[in-house]
Amino acid sequence: GAVVSQHPSRVICKSGTSVKIECRSLDFQATTMFWYRQFPKKSLMLMATSNEGSKATYEQGVEKDKFLINHASLTLSTLTVTSAHPEDSSFYICSAQGGMNTEAFFGQGTRLTVV
Amino acid sequence: SQKIEQNSEALNIQEGKTATLTCNYTNYSPAYLQWYRQDPGRGPVFLLLIRENEKEKRKERLKVTFDTTLKQSLFHITASQPADSATYLCALGMNTGFQKLVFGTGTRLLVSP
Repeated sequence: GAVVSQHPSRVICKSGTSVKIECRSLDFQATTMFWYRQFPKKSLMLMATSNEGSKATYEQGVEKDKFLINHASLTLSTLTVTSAHPEDSSFYICSAQGGMNTEAFFGQGTRLTVV
Repeated sequence: SQKIEQNSEALNIQEGKTATLTCNYTNYSPAYLQWYRQDPGRGPVFLLLIRENEKEKRKERLKVTFDTTLKQSLFHITASQPADSATYLCALGMNTGFQKLVFGTGTRLLVSP
């Protein structure tokens, strides 16, 4: 299957700092990428949909100024958690789809811990 | 309200048996449905996709059914192995123009030797 690479896999940062997470589709072009957050033993919660060259569409309740998403190319989307707080600690996962009604391929996830 | 329900309790079965996991949904009209496997601390891995006009899909030891009248999908693993132990997620795909997926909470499968 297609490969989606997410980096870093783990990051620890201090409160108030910003953290950037990268999501790359390595062997296909992804016009749309998705960012999810997952709490322990819970399902994936969609945060935003990222389209190449345009502004991301955020789900209700997700602060767009806190979770900045950039989709600069067909193979790269980034999520920046700004002014991180301990409650932002979570598992963040990206996915990419190559076309309509096709399978989504996920990155390996990023475990963010804010101390 | 809209819901996707998967059995929250772990499913324990013996090696060699068939595991059957269910995914029921309410107030959704998905264009397709996907099943994923997720291991602890990892992202989901795609297993199977089935479209609304398909009744059944197979891939090796895996079989998925999709009943849009019952609003239910069943996921079967035949000849299960301890390596199949993981959490299995179902996800509904909508024709929203953004291929948005909505996930169930997942069912943990434990296959004992």
